[in-house]
Amino acid sequence: GQNIDQPTEMTATEGAIVQINCTYQTSGFNGLFWYQQHAGEAPTFLSYNVLDGLEEKGRFSSFLSRSKGYSYLLLKELQMKDSASYLCACPTSYGNKLVFGAGTILRVKS
Amino acid sequence: DVKVTQSSRYLVKRTGEKVFLECVQDMDHENMFWYRQDPGLGLRLIYFSYDVKMKEKGDIPEGYSVSREKKERFSLILESASTNQTSMYLCASSQRTGGQETQYFGPGTRLLVL
Repeated sequence: GQNIDQPTEMTATEGAIVQINCTYQTSGFNGLFWYQQHAGEAPTFLSYNVLDGLEEKGRFSSFLSRSKGYSYLLLKELQMKDSASYLCACPTSYGNKLVFGAGTILRVKS
Repeated sequence: DVKVTQSSRYLVKRTGEKVFLECVQDMDHENMFWYRQDPGLGLRLIYFSYDVKMKEKGDIPEGYSVSREKKERFSLILESASTNQTSMYLCASSQRTGGQETQYFGPGTRLLVL
């Protein structure tokens, strides 16, 4: 089976850096996705990691360690609009199915 | 731009009614998915389809059925709506590549069953 864990909520200050962690247990590994979801809206794709290491994309970076079953999303120079839920997801052995974590609600305060 | 649309943003139905939720994607994607999203539970897969007229059960298919008569359209059917089916329903699609198969989501339908 698959199990994905992330913290339920986090709060950070505008302009700061925040790290959202995700741990996973999967039978087989086919990469890891991060999605952002604003309240009442659809999830939107942020990043995909399949190799170990850090991938940077503007203010957002995503890190993967396959040996530790661990990923994090790093958000720099936080803005109020970054307040959202961040979802971690892994493909199953089917490849086309995703298993999602429950999501981390990030609140950015001024 | 990938576009996934859903027939309604908000829907109110009565217990026992038959409910149709429609999803259309314009990117010629093979794979389509229906999820429901509930607070604290995240997204849970109801059904998915990897080709026209093909369907596979997800993690919580009970009380639901699906139809995929055309590649671009995937419908979710609640044969007899119940109050525990009140939820946010999200449709997604992805291209079958064998590698990174990013799913793109529609705006969601918030269904209330009274």
